[in-house]
Amino acid sequence: QLVLTQSPSASASLGASVNLTCTLSSGHSSYAIAWHQQQPEKGPRYLMKLNDDGSHSKGDGIPDRFSGSSSGAERYLTISSLQSEDEADYYCQTWGSGIQFGGGTKLTVL
Amino acid sequence: QLQLQESGPGLVKPSETLSLTCTVSSGSFSSSSYYWGWVRQPPGKGLEWIGSIHYSGRTYYNPSLKSRVTISVDTSKNQFSLKVSSVTAADTAVYYCAALYSNNFFDYWGQGALVTVSS
Repeated sequence: QLVLTQSPSASASLGASVNLTCTLSSGHSSYAIAWHQQQPEKGPRYLMKLNDDGSHSKGDGIPDRFSGSSSGAERYLTISSLQSEDEADYYCQTWGSGIQFGGGTKLTVL
Repeated sequence: QLQLQESGPGLVKPSETLSLTCTVSSGSFSSSSYYWGWVRQPPGKGLEWIGSIHYSGRTYYNPSLKSRVTISVDTSKNQFSLKVSSVTAADTAVYYCAALYSNNFFDYWGQGALVTVSS
């Protein structure tokens, strides 16, 4: 069964970098994912599609501070030079038998 | 750039049918590259895919909701619609419509519509 696992929370200081992780279930390590950001009281926003080889394509207007990488079944979202507006929920999403979302990671910027 | 906008009643009574429409402002509506999807988010919880439709009418549904959900398309109006029957309080959520590129990942989202199920 295709499942995406995310840590419920993460925190990092203003101006620092943070890595958020999305883990694909066993047997699905070749799957691509997408990352979405949801700021408080707003709808989701597409950040990027991330392939198993680490290549990624970003959505309209997504800053260079956002990047992605992959290792095995792990898919990473790296945000550098953290800003206050990066405080948000981050969801990974994939496709196989329908569409699946991870449970989301709430990022706090200290 | 695609823009999507949800519309419909914000309050539905238990056991009745929830109905929402999404209007897409773009010439991409009848593109073979896109499916059009519905996603919901109960208060304080994560995202749940409801189902998706192609402009040709082909649909995919979340198995957990399939028995109560119907998604339809109106290409003349660049719109697609969602119906959820026999609603309960558990269906209270913000409902988002979104563009699903190659039936794979959502790359454009609507702003969302809160639907409350209550008598």
